[in-house]
Amino acid sequence: DVKVTQSSRYLVKRTGEKVFLECVQDMDHENMFWYRQDPGLGLRLIYFSYDVKMKEKGDIPEGYSVSREKKERFSLILESASTNQTSMYLCASSLLYGRPDTQYFGPGTRLTVL
Amino acid sequence: AQKVTQAQTEISVVEKEDVTLDCVYETRDTTYYLFWYKQPPSGELVFLIRRNSFDEQNEISGRYSWNFQKSTSSFNFTITASQVVDSAVYFCALSHSGTYKYIFGTGTRLKVLA
Repeated sequence: DVKVTQSSRYLVKRTGEKVFLECVQDMDHENMFWYRQDPGLGLRLIYFSYDVKMKEKGDIPEGYSVSREKKERFSLILESASTNQTSMYLCASSLLYGRPDTQYFGPGTRLTVL
Repeated sequence: AQKVTQAQTEISVVEKEDVTLDCVYETRDTTYYLFWYKQPPSGELVFLIRRNSFDEQNEISGRYSWNFQKSTSSFNFTITASQVVDSAVYFCALSHSGTYKYIFGTGTRLKVLA
């Protein structure tokens, strides 16, 4: 079974802080994703990575950056957290680039920015 | 335009009732993939099914069944004899050949009352 883990289930940060969200997958998947989930808006893609050090912007990349130094690990960075970044953040992975493979999700991190 | 509509925001049923969750999609592509995910209160999206556009056979898995109808661009999900453990948010998603991207619906919250 694919396992995707996220470093924290709940996180509380202050406005202006730098925030790191970590995601690890154990199935040698090429693709990794960061989404945010907000009520009534469904899931929106923030960033996507298809290989080590490779990334593409998703639909809402503003205010975020990402890092993928190892194949199994994908980090989401909020350079200066703001209250409108309070949300649920979901990481996912899928097998091969350029194919609509099944995405497998982690448990999510609920981030609150005060 | 590519779009997924889950018009039912929230549904409440009493245990043992059957319930159908609607998913209507829009796409101009002839090759596409449809997915259903379950998000229980724990937060993790759990993969339920993946269906490609060339396979219109209905699928049954235990109490779950899916009705794919290209003529009406729908991919509806039915739970037979619902149980309290079925309480969750259910997401329908669409993807296309040659891309990694999913287009998610906004989700349907199902509450099964004992």
